[in-house]
Amino acid sequence: NAGVTQTPKFQVLKTGQSMTLQCAQDMNHEYMSWYRQDPGMGLRLIHYSVGAGITDQGEVPNGYNVSRSTTEDFPLRLLSAAPSQTSVYFCASSYSRHYGYTFGSGTRLTVV
Amino acid sequence: QQQVKQSPQSLIVQKGGISIINCAYENTAFDYFPWYQQFPGKGPALLIAIRPDVSEKKEGRFTISFNKSAKQFSLHIMDSQPGDSATYFCAASITDSNYQLIWGAGTKLIIKP
Repeated sequence: NAGVTQTPKFQVLKTGQSMTLQCAQDMNHEYMSWYRQDPGMGLRLIHYSVGAGITDQGEVPNGYNVSRSTTEDFPLRLLSAAPSQTSVYFCASSYSRHYGYTFGSGTRLTVV
Repeated sequence: QQQVKQSPQSLIVQKGGISIINCAYENTAFDYFPWYQQFPGKGPALLIAIRPDVSEKKEGRFTISFNKSAKQFSLHIMDSQPGDSATYFCAASITDSNYQLIWGAGTKLIIKP
């Protein structure tokens, strides 16, 4: 089992560019989420999904879009990249509320 | 606002010592308290978790102590090893929520050889 796979691992964008961070899981988890991690600020929830076709906003959703057309995939789209979006992005999935999250290895994004 | 307050922000412990990280919460609607371990360049990984009907849970050298009346829970790492050096996050899950976790800010643990 691959678990949670995130691509790319590293990305440099220019201000104003758009891009999609990919996240796929092969564990048939209903719950998937995107976090950003910045130094000294822990993990902040961007968007989450409790199943295909269902998404909702987290703590810091501005500038990001998500969709969930399948159980396996949960891409995160940056609409118009800004330097403030420079961060490490993690995708996570879970089988149930008391089961714990499985995290991907992260995407390190730099916006210049 | 629901919060989980984690302390200390950083911790240095000698090899073989006990590492203790504390978390406190205010919302009594939390019903699941996991701890995650994160190594540099990696995603967080579930380390150990506890429910509020249990006061202590032990897995190897890692123990969670839970004090429901004080609304506090802590992670103890016995016989700390250099390989335990990582960032540790506590979290809490809200009863009847959609899987969401409220996260502590993290503790960077360094074990000195």
